[in-house]
Order: sequence, then C-alpha cells, then structure tokens
Amino acid sequence: AQSVTQLGSHVSVSEGALVLLRCNYSSSVPPYLFWYVQYPNQGLQLLLKYTRGATLVKGINGFEAEFKKSETSFHLTKPSAHMSDAAEYFCAVMGFYNQGGKLIFGQGTELSVKP
Amino acid sequence: NAGVTQTPKFQVLKTGQSMTLQCAQDMNHEYMSWYRQDPGMGLRLIHYSVGAGITDQGEVPNGYNVSRSTTEDFPLRLLSAAPSQTSVYFCASSYSGVQETQYFGPGTRLLVL
Repeated sequence: AQSVTQLGSHVSVSEGALVLLRCNYSSSVPPYLFWYVQYPNQGLQLLLKYTRGATLVKGINGFEAEFKKSETSFHLTKPSAHMSDAAEYFCAVMGFYNQGGKLIFGQGTELSVKP
Repeated sequence: NAGVTQTPKFQVLKTGQSMTLQCAQDMNHEYMSWYRQDPGMGLRLIHYSVGAGITDQGEVPNGYNVSRSTTEDFPLRLLSAAPSQTSVYFCASSYSGVQETQYFGPGTRLLVL
C-alpha cells in the first residue's frame, strides 16, 4: 500500500531563510509525486509534480523538489522564504497503476514565516 | 472557466439530517473525486469517479453516497449526518491519466451538531 509521511506538522522560518519541507513516500514502484499548497480558507493549488523524467522539478513561486528514489523522498525547498509563503503544504502520491486520479496525501506541514 | 465550484460554502446540520454537497466542473474532466480534510490527517479520499455513470469507493466511504449522471456534476450525499462527519470537504477533478493534475474546489465546511 502506498503512503506518504511529512516530517514536522509545523515549520517556522525567518523571512529570507531557506525553506525545507520533508516528504517521504512508500510505494512498491516509483510513483507520481505532487506538492500542493493551501492558503487559509482556500482550496488546494498545485505547486509542482514529478511524473518521471528529470528528478529536480521546479514549480511556481520559486519552489522546487527533488525526487530521490534511493531515499524514497521528495522534499520541497525554496532558497528564500517570503511572508506570502505562509500556508499549509501537502505532499501527495499517486501510484503508477492508479486509476481514477486517487491521491494519497500526507498529513500536511504548516509553514510560518517570521519577519 | 469557473473551474471547480462547490456549494454551499458552509453548512450546519443536526445529527441524523441528510444533505447533498454539490460539485461542478466546466473543464470537461473525466475524473472527479471527493476528499475530506481533518486536522493532522491531511486529505482522505471518500469516493471517486472515472466518468459519467462510474463511481467507486475511496479510503473513507462509510456514510456517504455519490452518483455521476453527467460529466460536469458529482454530488456527495450524507444520508444521516453524524458528528464524526464534521469536516471540510473538497471536490477535485482532472483529465484521465495518472500523472494529470487534480484541480480542487474551494471547499465546503460542514458542522454536525
């Protein structure tokens, strides 16, 4: 069975500091991986996704993530945090043989950005 | 395009009442899904559909029914609401294909007393 673990339910960084949000997955075959962001009282918005090919994936708002098969990880990074990055971030996995667009989500990481 | 729309935005129910959460998309997406979001648990799949007339259960289907009579609409029915169904509900849609991006609606916040 597939699963996703996000390390740290809350992460706090200072404005301008590196953002690192951790995600590890469990899957029998390399899956498709996604990062979504949720701003307060809004739905989820796709940040980036890994669907084979290049293992370093660039997304919107300066975020990027690297797929590391050997570590079963897909950590999200941003070199310099901005106040507007404060939100909840979800890592999600979709199996290679998945039907129906079924995403398995991690529990989420709330990012706070201090001035 | 309006994208994925959900109604209502907020609803309060009493235990045992029934209601339907509406979801519609105007992107001609084949796949549609319902998730519930609870603190510390991320989003969990309730039901999904791969096309009109085809639905299947997700991770937490108990207490919920769905049907898909058209490509555009995918309503979620609570037959007899329970306090455990207090949650935020999100509808999502995508083109077919495992790597396709899912687009989420703004959510419906449900409180069951």
